[in-house]
Amino acid sequence: GAGVSQSPSNKVTEKGKDVELRCDPISGHTALYWYRQSLGQGLEFLIYFQGNSAPDKSGLPSDRFSAERTGGSVSTLTIQRTQQEDSAVYLCASSLAPSSSYEQYFGPGTRLTVT
Amino acid sequence: AQKITQTQPGMFVQEKEAVTLDCTYDTSDPSYGLFWYKQPSSGEMIFLIYQGSYDQQNATEGRYSLNFQKARKSANLVISASQLGDSAMYFCAMREGPGGATNKLIFGTGTLLAVQP
Repeated sequence: GAGVSQSPSNKVTEKGKDVELRCDPISGHTALYWYRQSLGQGLEFLIYFQGNSAPDKSGLPSDRFSAERTGGSVSTLTIQRTQQEDSAVYLCASSLAPSSSYEQYFGPGTRLTVT
Repeated sequence: AQKITQTQPGMFVQEKEAVTLDCTYDTSDPSYGLFWYKQPSSGEMIFLIYQGSYDQQNATEGRYSLNFQKARKSANLVISASQLGDSAMYFCAMREGPGGATNKLIFGTGTLLAVQP
């Protein structure tokens, strides 16, 4: 079956612009996660969705970052007024349920470059 | 606080030999899961193997096995009969159990494995 998909695969934007990153999880997966991977910080958790609600937003680095999920499926991560330090690969993952025994399946990521 | 430590930034192994990638963890939650992911140069994170904190047996998946030593809080990945295609970055990760807030993954810094012909 289809895996997690993300779009765009690459995004170059100018400092100060807003960007939207999209994630399509595996069908039927109720849990959705956003992570960020950068050279200096490694892999960091950003936000977790269970259905359409986000019980844990603790990893969002600033109020410029927000995310939503609609229909228990597609999620969008929005970064407003982008800064150069936002440059990273943004990874989305989904799992069947929010349980420690369920593996998370990752998408290919969106590489964001802020110039 | 939860923490995953991978002390080997890079490893070399000869093709067809076995290799062990180290991972230690720290958590106060009695229920947790440990995961290993592979990230080749293409960038995608590929799930390899899972070990639950209450599992009695060490997990195995094909050429991958997990040497789980709970008392030492270590969960080393063993890759048998290495292949050239095993060259990649390997991440150890932990997720706390149902008592945790989100079951988010906490990742180690990774080990870059190079398989030599």
